[in-house]
Amino acid sequence: NAGVTQTPKFQVLKTGQSMTLQCAQDMNHEYMSWYRQDPGMGLRLIHYSVGAGITDQGEVPNGYNVSRSTTEDFPLRLLSAAPSQTSVYFCASSDRPSTDTQYFGPGTRLTVL
Amino acid sequence: AQSVTQPDIHITVSEGASLELRCNYSYGATPYLFWYVQSPGQGLQLLLKYFSGDTLVQGIKGFEAEFKRSQSSFNLRKPSVHWSDAAEYFCAAGYTGGSYIPTFGRGTSLIVHP
Repeated sequence: NAGVTQTPKFQVLKTGQSMTLQCAQDMNHEYMSWYRQDPGMGLRLIHYSVGAGITDQGEVPNGYNVSRSTTEDFPLRLLSAAPSQTSVYFCASSDRPSTDTQYFGPGTRLTVL
Repeated sequence: AQSVTQPDIHITVSEGASLELRCNYSYGATPYLFWYVQSPGQGLQLLLKYFSGDTLVQGIKGFEAEFKRSQSSFNLRKPSVHWSDAAEYFCAAGYTGGSYIPTFGRGTSLIVHP
């Protein structure tokens, strides 16, 4: 099992550009989520999904879109990047809701100039 | 609303010293509790978890945590810290019938002096 994979590992964008952060898991988990991590702020939930075709907003959803067309993939889209979106992004998955172990990807470090 | 509090942003210990990282939760029911570790430049990895039963839980890398219902706490301990334990530690909680995603604390950064 590869677990949770994320691509790219690093990305530099200019303000206004769009991009998609990829996340995939091979554990057949229903629950997937995206977090951003900023110094002193811990992990903040952006969006999450409880199964293919079902997504919902987390704590900081503005400026981000998600979709879940398959169980395996959960991409995060930045429509028009802003410097405030400079952060490290983590994808996670779990077999059950909040009472189960979360499996995290290695992260994507994004810089928006 | 449910919350998880890690009161210490940074903790500094000497190598070989004991360690205790604090975690308090605010839930109506008994939560499922987790500790995760994040090494520099890495994703989070589960250290240990508590669901029910024995309130002292053993985890990987020599860590343990104790659930104390009366104090709403789930503190992480290690008797002798190694330099490789320097990392960010996150406490998290969830409960059956609650939100789909667990609530994470803000993390405690552990610094280990030689």
